[in-house]
Amino acid sequence: QVQLVQSGAEVRRPGASVRLSCKASGYTFSNSAMHWVRQAPGLRLEWMGWINTGTGSAKYSQNFQGRVTITTDTSASTAYMELRSLRLEDTAVYYCARDWEDLDNWGRGTLVTVSS
Amino acid sequence: QSVLTQPPSVSAAPGQKVTISCSGNTSDIGNNYISWYQQFPGTAPQLLVFDNNERPSGIPDRFSGSKSGTSATLDITGLQTGDEAHYYCGTWDNSLSTWVFGGGTKLTVL
Repeated sequence: QVQLVQSGAEVRRPGASVRLSCKASGYTFSNSAMHWVRQAPGLRLEWMGWINTGTGSAKYSQNFQGRVTITTDTSASTAYMELRSLRLEDTAVYYCARDWEDLDNWGRGTLVTVSS
Repeated sequence: QSVLTQPPSVSAAPGQKVTISCSGNTSDIGNNYISWYQQFPGTAPQLLVFDNNERPSGIPDRFSGSKSGTSATLDITGLQTGDEAHYYCGTWDNSLSTWVFGGGTKLTVL
């Protein structure tokens, strides 16, 4: 079965960077795009960007332009999301989600806490 | 970033039917498939409906979706207390080239 296993919780200071991982299994990694979505406490889902896992081409939300980079290691069936210049308001749970039949499989999420 | 419009909350009694609406425009719902997601507190969203009205395997037929023009709805029949969750609609926005979500609707089963 399809599984997306995300890396563990992270704590960062404002201004720092964080890199999260999402390891896929149970399907051919390069056949489905991967999205990253975050959810701040008590708030709605917020789309950050996605990557064509076959070509490596990524597209980002303008809300994160210049601060986020999504990459893949196809040999490891893993997608990565790096967010830079962290702010207090970046505290959220970050999800990866496979795009096959829309966002049909989601990771369990990684909590990123930004605190001074 | 555009946001699809959902009611903040809906409620109904066990066994009844509830409808959750999702409103957008021609750049998102009007020209793309819509999907619906269920999220329980502390857990990841789960796909309920894709391509407007298709259900992934394992999703009961009590959940059904439809779309008309720039709006979509999710119907849940035979409500159960276990259906209490947040529900989000989502689709692609052609003008922004981004995925957009609704603000979410909290379902309470009275």
